[in-house]
Amino acid sequence: SSELTQDPAVSVALGQTVRITCQGDSLRSYYASWYQQKPGQAPILVIYAKNNRPSGIPDRFSGSSSGNTASLTITGAQAEDEADYYCNSRDSSGDHWVFGGGTKLTVL
Amino acid sequence: QVQLVQSGAEVKKPGASVKVSCKASGYTFTRYYMHWVRQAPGQGLEWMGIINPSGSSTTYAQKFEGRVTMTRDTSTSTDYMELSSLRSEDTAVYYCARDNSAGSGWWFDPWGQGTLVTVSS
Repeated sequence: SSELTQDPAVSVALGQTVRITCQGDSLRSYYASWYQQKPGQAPILVIYAKNNRPSGIPDRFSGSSSGNTASLTITGAQAEDEADYYCNSRDSSGDHWVFGGGTKLTVL
Repeated sequence: QVQLVQSGAEVKKPGASVKVSCKASGYTFTRYYMHWVRQAPGQGLEWMGIINPSGSSTTYAQKFEGRVTMTRDTSTSTDYMELSSLRSEDTAVYYCARDNSAGSGWWFDPWGQGTLVTVSS
């Protein structure tokens, strides 16, 4: 079982806003990072260190954190945002890393 | 540009070992840790372990302790992940990903393209 918990699936209407959450005790101590993965492709980083976007990631992607929950928000979801999203952080011991189980985002 | 290029797909029999390589370019190899992550078909991402910049220290996920060995050749900027005593459940895509950190945040970027390892008799 994962120490980071994500909803398995979320859907959003085209152009609307969606929030994907990640819960875990370690998030009280460490920031989450977020990864987008499309079928047959390697994951890519979309948010790091709470709310930083790598170059090339659209500004409709943002991150936030409160208590034991980290969130990835897509404001104005596009068809190309349909993908699996994974959160990651160090675990509660701080010695290892752990991924959430992933959230499949469907854009309707 | 910063890039990680992994070795090609492998097919192995149960009980065998596999060694996957990850060649880095575009940055100072000896300044960064490297993670290994795997993904079984239709499943999520699973962290396997990390190697330090000099290659002198590793930390493995408990699940893989005793079966995985991560090494580094600094002369060729290449990391290696060897998994032994393979079983069908080890069929997965294996990724290397560079570690980055600042403050209380760590992140994986970039990622290699992935190496499919198939374990089948």
